[in-house]
Amino acid sequence: EVQLLESGGGLVQPGGSLRLSCAASGFTFRRNAVGWVRQAAGKGLEWVSGISGDGDNTNYADSVKGRFTISRDNVKNTLYLQMNSLRVDDTAVYYCAKGLAWWYGVDAWGQGTTVTVSS
Amino acid sequence: QSALTQPPSASGSPGQSVTISCTGTSSDIGSYNYVSWYQQHPGKAPKLMIYEVTERPSGVPDRFSGSKSGNTASLTVSGLQAEDEADYYCSSFADSNTLIFGGGTKLTVL
Repeated sequence: EVQLLESGGGLVQPGGSLRLSCAASGFTFRRNAVGWVRQAAGKGLEWVSGISGDGDNTNYADSVKGRFTISRDNVKNTLYLQMNSLRVDDTAVYYCAKGLAWWYGVDAWGQGTTVTVSS
Repeated sequence: QSALTQPPSASGSPGQSVTISCTGTSSDIGSYNYVSWYQQHPGKAPKLMIYEVTERPSGVPDRFSGSKSGNTASLTVSGLQAEDEADYYCSSFADSNTLIFGGGTKLTVL
């Protein structure tokens, strides 16, 4: 059974930084694209960033480009999201996501970790 | 990249069928057969219901079906049941090499 367990969420001030982690199990991590999808309270889903199985290819939504960095450790089976220069509108539940092939869809989701950006 | 367009709400009585649309552009839905649909109950993570326009993951009832015509994809739920009441989101691979989602549709079973 695929499991994705996020951690690292919390309360941070505008302009601050936070690093999210996602521990993966139940599938061959190094062979799969993984990434992050977020959802603000009462709002829809927004794809944030993705990384290929070997880590060579990354991509970002325009809204986070230049501020967020995605990375992975295929020994630890862990995905990361370094979030810098956080803004109030980054407040959301951040879901770890397993991509269908590249980003043809999401076939597994974590339970989410909440990031709140507020002064 | 703009979000895909979904109606904010849809409804039907138990046993009826309901169809939810998802409209994109020639840069996403119109160019790729990589449309997916997700079901999300309140406070829960989304669940994949349809992928590659028409395919159902193992365990998803065949009451759920998908289709596509031009820049618009659709999800049909037949034989509505109370547990189908949830938010539904579509997604599509896009020219930008990213995944874009629809705004979501709240399905109410009357």
